[in-house]
This record gives sequence, structure tokens and C-alpha cells, in this order.
Amino acid sequence: AQSVTQLGSHVSVSEGALVLLRCNYSSSVPPYLFWYVQYPNQGLQLLLKYTSAATLVKGINGFEAEFKKSETSFHLTKPSAHMSDAAEYFCAVSDLRAGSARQLTFGSGTQLTVLP
Amino acid sequence: GAGVSQTPSNKVTEKGKYVELRCDPISGHTALYWYRQSLGQGPEFLIYFQGTGAADDSGLPNDRFFAVRPEGSVSTLKIQRTERGDSAVYLCASSLIRTSPYNEQFFGPGTRLTVL
Repeated sequence: AQSVTQLGSHVSVSEGALVLLRCNYSSSVPPYLFWYVQYPNQGLQLLLKYTSAATLVKGINGFEAEFKKSETSFHLTKPSAHMSDAAEYFCAVSDLRAGSARQLTFGSGTQLTVLP
Repeated sequence: GAGVSQTPSNKVTEKGKYVELRCDPISGHTALYWYRQSLGQGPEFLIYFQGTGAADDSGLPNDRFFAVRPEGSVSTLKIQRTERGDSAVYLCASSLIRTSPYNEQFFGPGTRLTVL
């Protein structure tokens, strides 16, 4: 079975400060990992995905994440937070078992607040 | 082009009633997923369609939940004898094909179901 743990349900940073959102996964097979962002009253939007091509993945809006197999982590970072980054962020892993639906297993989310 | 749409955006019903939630996927997407997001949690997989057939319904919580996709496009999630515990945001996602995990799932804005 696969699972995702997001440490910290709420994170607050000042505008211009580093954003670090933590994600650890558990998977019996090499995982495909994703970060999604959810703005209020909107659908989930894909920020970036890891599909084994490169361990450092760059996404939209200046976000990036690094896959570290030894730490089973896929933390999301952004060098300088902007007010518009305030949202809820979800880490997810894809079920790659043969015959699976490729459904996503999500973490419980991290609400990011950006302080002026 | 148009994204995934879901109707209604909000649904309030009474315990014991029957509800239908509709999802219009992106045109041409053969794979369709339903997820349920309870308050403070990440989305949880319910059911997956490839074309018209429900290829994986392992996430449906019980037999009160049922979904159809008769023409391989629009899908309806049906909940019988609703219970207060069914209150959640129901998310629909579509992707081009299932077989590759590279294929991004595009999410709709969700239907917020409240059972009184």
C-alpha cells in the first residue's frame, strides 16, 4: 500500500521568505510523486511531478521539489514567497501496480499562509 | 479549452435523501476519476472509469454509492439514503489515458455536499 505524510498542517511564512512544505511517502514500488495546489473554491492544480527522469523537478510559479529516495521525501520549496502563494498544498503518489487505475493517494494537505 | 466542470457546486440535502452529482470531463479524456475530500483531509479515491465501464470501484465506501458513465463522457455519482457522514467535497478528475502515470489528472472545482 502507498501512503503520503505531510508534516505540518499549517505553515506561515513572511512574504519574500523561503517556502518549505514537507512530504514523505511510503511505496512498495518506485513512486511517481506529485504536488497539487488548491485555491479556495477552485479545483486542484498540478504544480509539478516526479516521474524518475530527474530528482530535482521544477514546476510552475517558481516551485520546485527534490526526490530523495534515501529519505523517502519529496519536499516542495520556493525561494521567495509571494502573497499569491497562499493556498492549500497536497502531495500525492500514483498507484503504479499492474492493472491499477493509477489513482492518486493524497496527503492530508498543508495550508500555506503568507504574511505581509 | 474548457476544463472539468461539476454540477451543482453546492448541494444541501436531508438525511435519507437521494442525490446525484454530475461531472463533465475534458473533451477527449477517456479516463475519469471520482474522489471525496472530507474537511481537513486530502482527496480519497472512490472510483475510476476507462470509457464507459467502471474499471475500479474499490474506493466506494459502501453500496449506497454508485456511479455511471453511459456514453463514456459525462459521469454521475449517485448516493442513496444519504447520511451526515457523506458530507464532503466530491471531486471529479479526467485524464487523457490511464496507462501512463505521466498523464496529468485535471480536477474540477468539486461539489460540496452537505447532509443535514
